[in-house]
Amino acid sequence: AQTVTQSQPEMSVQEAETVTLSCTYDTSESDYYLFWYKQPPSRQMILVIRQEAYKQQNATENRFSVNFQKAAKSFSLKISDSQLGDAAMYFCAYREGGSEKLVFGKGTKLTVNP
Amino acid sequence: DTAVSQTPKYLVTQMGNDKSIKCEQNLGHDTMYWYKQDSKKFLKIMFSYNNKELIINETVPNRFSPKSPDKAHLNLHINSLELGDSAVYFCASSLLWGGPSSTTDTQYFGPGTRLTVL
Repeated sequence: AQTVTQSQPEMSVQEAETVTLSCTYDTSESDYYLFWYKQPPSRQMILVIRQEAYKQQNATENRFSVNFQKAAKSFSLKISDSQLGDAAMYFCAYREGGSEKLVFGKGTKLTVNP
Repeated sequence: DTAVSQTPKYLVTQMGNDKSIKCEQNLGHDTMYWYKQDSKKFLKIMFSYNNKELIINETVPNRFSPKSPDKAHLNLHINSLELGDSAVYFCASSLLWGGPSSTTDTQYFGPGTRLTVL
């Protein structure tokens, strides 16, 4: 079974600084997709960024970018110029091609210090 | 307009009761899901429906019964509630059900329903 591991239960960053959240996954599939979701205190799950495994280019969405290392099965999220509103739980998720089942990691709680 | 809505947002009830959580999406999506987030924030899929047909049914007690009256709605009914059912339940939807080589598709989540069983 596919598993997603987030090894950092908590992280903190100073406002305007850069932080990287780690995620590794285990799969024998070649067709899959990876996601980062943000869950602020409001509980809403918000998609931050997604990556198709067949694409070598790392996905970028404004201040958010990923470092996708397919051979190492690593999918880290970099947040640049951190803002107070970035404070939230961040979940890494995996979806196998041909399935809509998302498998989530246990999350990383990000604190942004003013 | 809210894309995926759930009612109620909070639900407090006694053990043994039966309760329902409703979910509606106005995105025109074909596929809907229920997830459970436990007290440690771990999020796990429970069910998925595509065009009103059950697609994913994870290992969930049969006290939980999803009902999809139409593509835009997926309700969750829980019988004989237990303390361990206390959690946040999320509904989500996505445009398509994936084929052998499905294109990327995003799941859009509702705001969650916090269920507390006393």
